[in-house]
Amino acid sequence: EAQVTQNPRYLITVTGKKLTVTCSQNMNHEYMSWYRQDPGLGLRQIYYSMNVEVTDKGDVPEGYKVSRKEKRNFPLILESPSPNQTSLYFCASSLELAVYNEQFFGPGTRLTVL
Amino acid sequence: AQSVAQPEDQVNVAEGNPLTVKCTYSVSGNPYLFWYVQYPNRGLQFLLKYITGDNLVKGSYGFEAEFNKSQTSFHLKKPSALVSDSALYFCAVNSGAGSYQLTFGKGTKLSVIP
Repeated sequence: EAQVTQNPRYLITVTGKKLTVTCSQNMNHEYMSWYRQDPGLGLRQIYYSMNVEVTDKGDVPEGYKVSRKEKRNFPLILESPSPNQTSLYFCASSLELAVYNEQFFGPGTRLTVL
Repeated sequence: AQSVAQPEDQVNVAEGNPLTVKCTYSVSGNPYLFWYVQYPNRGLQFLLKYITGDNLVKGSYGFEAEFNKSQTSFHLKKPSALVSDSALYFCAVNSGAGSYQLTFGKGTKLSVIP
């Protein structure tokens, strides 16, 4: 089944404790992206990747890191999480550039930073 | 810069009645426009897109959207609403001018009343 998977689905952590949210897709998609969803703010893009070893900042990259060492994986790293990073996070992928192609979304990761 | 506005936080419609969810956009070039739907506790799902061509675009689940360049709008419509259409709807835009970013609106919650 074609899908985007994220782990963990739910995470409660404390301020400053490094964490990684994994994202994997099995559709051989070039483009991958991370979004955060907050009430009243919609989805905001954190980082995106056009292909392996090619990443760029989205609208809200502060406090986050990403890497794209393999085509299928695009982990999101929070080196020192803070309470304002409490949010619902979505990973997405699409064939080639998102300009022309619809994105496939993962099920989401709900993160709470205490 | 590109942006999208969804002027209504919530839309209520009776089952069987036509529904409209509004979206306006702002881009410097020709827009690429998308609608996504999010059901409770799920990731976003693609509904339809406008890239070029016919201004009326048909998508999944009986939804359609009309691209209006002069009014910079891309409203989502359905002739007869179902209770199962109740969800959160997001409009998104890409300027297509070498941009790899997809900008989402804040979302509109659609409630279809039996």
